[in-house]
Amino acid sequence: DIQMTQSPSTLSASVGDRVTITCRASQSISNSLAWYQQKPGKAPKLLIYKASRLESGVPSRFSGSGSGTEFTLTISSLQPDDFATYSCHHYKSYSGTFGQGTKVEIK
Amino acid sequence: EVQLLESGGGLEQPGGSLRLSCAASGFSFSNSDMSWVRQAPGKGLEWVSGVTASGGTTYYADSVKGRFTISRDNSKDTLYLQMNSLRAEDTAVYYCVKYSGSGSYRWFDPWGEGTLVTVSS
Repeated sequence: DIQMTQSPSTLSASVGDRVTITCRASQSISNSLAWYQQKPGKAPKLLIYKASRLESGVPSRFSGSGSGTEFTLTISSLQPDDFATYSCHHYKSYSGTFGQGTKVEIK
Repeated sequence: EVQLLESGGGLEQPGGSLRLSCAASGFSFSNSDMSWVRQAPGKGLEWVSGVTASGGTTYYADSVKGRFTISRDNSKDTLYLQMNSLRAEDTAVYYCVKYSGSGSYRWFDPWGEGTLVTVSS
């Protein structure tokens, strides 16, 4: 099975910072990757699919890049509403594997 | 507005059974592939099971295969997860999720708010 490893596990940042989260796959997954945002006690929300395609309604400060085994989620200017946990997701047909999550905290 | 509303969670003893339901609205449920994803307390997300729009084909994670059964009633716009032989490690919030995309490219969107299943004696 393909393993997805996110780094860092926790990230402390300030409003206005540029933030980058990395997700690495144990083998090549082409661009079969999505990113989700999750706030405490809430369901995950889709941000990015096909590694770099922004979901409708998601602010343009979010962007995704990468292909193969290394992927990044970037928030260009962190806003108060962005403090949350972010998870990557490799999807394959009807199954999939998630990263362990990256918590973005207020510095 | 697309809505997915889970129910049926609760406290169950190891070895027991629970059936989760997910009532869907705001989209064509009968034309949509559906899934369950869970999240243990303080842990990451884990795909559990998926089903095609017709209900004719089902998929399971190895961790639940043989114990859980996914099904759907398209006349009621409702998805189910029958969970038998429950274990402590099944304790989690269970999310009902709609697949987006097609073919080999299926991500999850949107998600229900989840229902908590606790397995403990």
